[in-house]
Amino acid sequence: SQQGEEDPQALSIQEGENATMNCSYKTSINNLQWYRQNSGRGLVHLILIRSNEREKHSGRLRVTLDTSKKNSSLLITASRAADTASYFCAMTQGAQKLVFGQGTRLTINP
Amino acid sequence: DTAVSQTPKYLVTQMGNDKSIKCEQNLGHDTMYWYKQDSKKFLKIMFSYNNKELIINETVPNRFSPKSPDKAHLNLHINSLELGDSAVYFCASSQGFRGSGTGELFFGEGSRLTVL
Repeated sequence: SQQGEEDPQALSIQEGENATMNCSYKTSINNLQWYRQNSGRGLVHLILIRSNEREKHSGRLRVTLDTSKKNSSLLITASRAADTASYFCAMTQGAQKLVFGQGTRLTINP
Repeated sequence: DTAVSQTPKYLVTQMGNDKSIKCEQNLGHDTMYWYKQDSKKFLKIMFSYNNKELIINETVPNRFSPKSPDKAHLNLHINSLELGDSAVYFCASSQGFRGSGTGELFFGEGSRLTVL
């Protein structure tokens, strides 16, 4: 079944640096989404990118999608301590099923 | 106002017991989900309901039974709890995204189940 594979599994950077996370998948998708999960909390939606889009921005977030390589990346620019969280990519499988990757654990050091 | 609320937040119980987790959404969404997150943070879909109708039923043991009395509520009942059921269970809802797969999911805060 479709499941995203995220890379790296863990990332630790200094505040102010940029963080890049990658997500690869195996079969065709309708859209791909990114979510954030703070420790002990639920997931929060960040960005949705459709299969016919290549790049999308939201504030300090930039998402790219390369359907030929079956890969997406999430870039967080000028990171802050509050960005410390786990980040998940998710992709649709069928009409109503969203399948998640295993996540990247991001730590921003002050 | 909490968009997706689930109760209880924590649940500690003995093996063999039966327990329920309740979920309610006030977003007017048509679709609701149950996800299980294990200790390695892997999120796996369990069930999905659309307008009270079951549309996704993954390979989940029969001990797990969802129930949707109306489109704003989706409860999860678990019979004969086992140690391996220990996890965080998340309820979510979405409006759907016709022709383009699943839209944005709104998640509850999770219910941490510990089976002793």
